[in-house]
Amino acid sequence: KAGVTQTPRYLIKTRGQQVTLSCSPISGHRSVSWYQQTPGQGLQFLFEYFSETQRNKGNFPGRFSGRQFSNSRSEMNVSTLELGDSALYLCASSEQGGYGYTFGSGTRLTVV
Amino acid sequence: DQQVKQNSPSLSVQEGRISILNCDYTNSMFDYFLWYKKYPAEGPTFLISISSIKDKNEDGRFTVFLNKSAKHLSLHIVPSQPGDSAVYFCAASDRGSTLGRLYFGRGTQLTVWP
Repeated sequence: KAGVTQTPRYLIKTRGQQVTLSCSPISGHRSVSWYQQTPGQGLQFLFEYFSETQRNKGNFPGRFSGRQFSNSRSEMNVSTLELGDSALYLCASSEQGGYGYTFGSGTRLTVV
Repeated sequence: DQQVKQNSPSLSVQEGRISILNCDYTNSMFDYFLWYKKYPAEGPTFLISISSIKDKNEDGRFTVFLNKSAKHLSLHIVPSQPGDSAVYFCAASDRGSTLGRLYFGRGTQLTVWP
C-alpha cells in the first residue's frame, strides 16, 4: 500500500509569491489534514478535509487556503508569502474512524 | 496557548534501559491520545494510541499510560535501542478515534546511546 505522497519535497520561493503544495493520501483514506512544523512552534494544525468539505481550520491567516478533490487528493495554497512561512508542511491522511493519521514526508518550503 | 505540553525537550538513555517520555495536557475534553516518532527529513510515524476509557495500552516495547485525573500521559520504551533515537511527539484529539484536529506537544528528542 503506497503511503501519503507530498509534492514537491523542497521548494524555494521569494517573498510576495504564492505557492501550491500537493498531497495524495493513502488509497481509501478520505480524511486529509495539513500541519505546519517550525522549530519555534512545533506542529500547528492548518486544515482538515473530509469528502471535499473543510471540517476544521486552524488559527492561520486567510493567506493559507486549501481544498480537497473528489479523489481525496488535497492541495494547500499560500499567497503573498512571508519569511515566517518558511516551514515543513505536513499532510496526513486517515480512514474515518482510523487509529492514527499517516503522515507524508512533507514539503520543505523556504521563503527568501 | 499550548494545550499539550512536553516539558522535557531532550532525554538521554543508555541502550537496554527504560525510556520514559512525559506529556501533560490542559483540555479535559481530550479523549484520545497518540504518540508519534519523527526522524529528520521524514514525517511523523504513528507509534501507539490510547483512549480516555483506558489507563494503559501496550504494543511490543512501547507502553502508554494515561492518568486522567492528573491530565498526564507517558510513553515507556523497554528496552531502549539506538534506533529509537528520534523526536517523540505527544498528540491529543477531542473527537475520539475519528481524530479530527490533533493538538501536538513540541516534542522530546530521545537519544539512546550504546
